[in-house]
Amino acid sequence: GAVVSQHPSWVICKSGTSVKIECRSLDFQATTMFWYRQFPKQSLMLMATSNEGSKATYEQGVEKDKFLINHASLTLSTLTVTSAHPEDSSFYICSARTIFPGQQETQYFGPGTRLLVL
Amino acid sequence: QQQVKQSPQSLIVQKGGISIINCAYENTAFDYFPWYQQFPGKGPALLIAIRPDVSEKKEGRFTISFNKSAKQFSLHIMDSQPGDSATYFCAARVTGGGNKLTFGTGTQLKVEL
Repeated sequence: GAVVSQHPSWVICKSGTSVKIECRSLDFQATTMFWYRQFPKQSLMLMATSNEGSKATYEQGVEKDKFLINHASLTLSTLTVTSAHPEDSSFYICSARTIFPGQQETQYFGPGTRLLVL
Repeated sequence: QQQVKQSPQSLIVQKGGISIINCAYENTAFDYFPWYQQFPGKGPALLIAIRPDVSEKKEGRFTISFNKSAKQFSLHIMDSQPGDSATYFCAARVTGGGNKLTFGTGTQLKVEL
């Protein structure tokens, strides 16, 4: 259990276009999902916290108009990189928060989406 | 401000040896400390986690040692195997504080034959 999927796994796009990344919790409901960004050989940087049915909370320095987040259901959150530029090229990872009976609250991570903007 | 400091940045261990990765934190409100394993091109996977009310937790070959007074915790991988070669991240969280994880900088582990 506790599987999180992301789609697509990788994407190449032209500068100026928008790219949508989906994050799904496959076998559990997640009231909260998180979006991270990771550069090569670096740690994960939290971009935003997404709660179902409400606006996302963005970390300091993350442009909300640039990175649009929608959390339409308890199993789906989307990140749209608008007007992408080469500096947006990165590895984007989502995670879903849940609590299974008898266990601690845990974040389960998706496999990541590699974005390359040409 | 780096709230969770991780060392070493990289580590090479012989097969069968013990891999030790250390983390130190500053925020005394942290109350949950997980370790994640990440293979290239993949998302992090939860390995093991500990709360500050215990000093050690063991799951298979993986052990977390926790020192609350020193604000340090470490991951020990016993009988290290080539398949353990990956990047390891420690993290910390304040329960209820938005439940956000603060990650360490990562340790790239290579287990050689």
